[in-house]
Amino acid sequence: NAGVTQTPKFQVLKTGQSMTLQCAQDMNHNSMYWYRQDPGMGLRLIYYSASEGTTDKGEVPNGYNVSRLNKREFSLRLESAAPSQTSVYFCASSAADSAFYEQYFGPGTRLTVT
Amino acid sequence: AQSVSQHNHHVILSEAASLELGCNYSYGGTVNLFWYVQYPGQHLQLLLKYFSGDPLVKGIKGFEAEFIKSKFSFNLRKPSVQWSDTAEYFCAVTPLGNNRLAFGKGNQVVVIP
Repeated sequence: NAGVTQTPKFQVLKTGQSMTLQCAQDMNHNSMYWYRQDPGMGLRLIYYSASEGTTDKGEVPNGYNVSRLNKREFSLRLESAAPSQTSVYFCASSAADSAFYEQYFGPGTRLTVT
Repeated sequence: AQSVSQHNHHVILSEAASLELGCNYSYGGTVNLFWYVQYPGQHLQLLLKYFSGDPLVKGIKGFEAEFIKSKFSFNLRKPSVQWSDTAEYFCAVTPLGNNRLAFGKGNQVVVIP
């Protein structure tokens, strides 16, 4: 099993450009999450999807949109990238939106906005 | 909203030394507590977790953590570290009932052979 996969691994954007970060899981999990990791800041939740067909804002949703395309896939879109969005983005999934279920993380996407 | 504090962001120690990383959280209700580890170039992975019961929790690779409710703390310990413990360690909290993790800023631990 691949677990949680993310594409691309690296990306450089110019201010104002748009892009979509892809995330897929093959564990038949119901819940999926997007986090960003900044140096000295830990991980912060951007958006989550408790189950297929639902999405909700996390701690830092401004400048992002998400789509839960199906049970496997959860994408994160930057409509107009800003330098403040330079970060490492992690996708995670769990069997359900309950702390009793471990979250499994993907390898991350390193995004630089110039 | 809950918040998580981790101190001493950078820790350097020699093999066989003992490690203790502090974690304090602020939240008025019942919480679930976690420690995650990120080895260089690898995914975040769960080290250990606490939900209820015995406040001393044992995890993988010889790590343990103690929940002290009165101090709102969940400190991570390992009696004797190895070079392979070089990693970044994150404490995380969720309120009872969901899985939306609030992370601390992390501790970068370097173990010198």
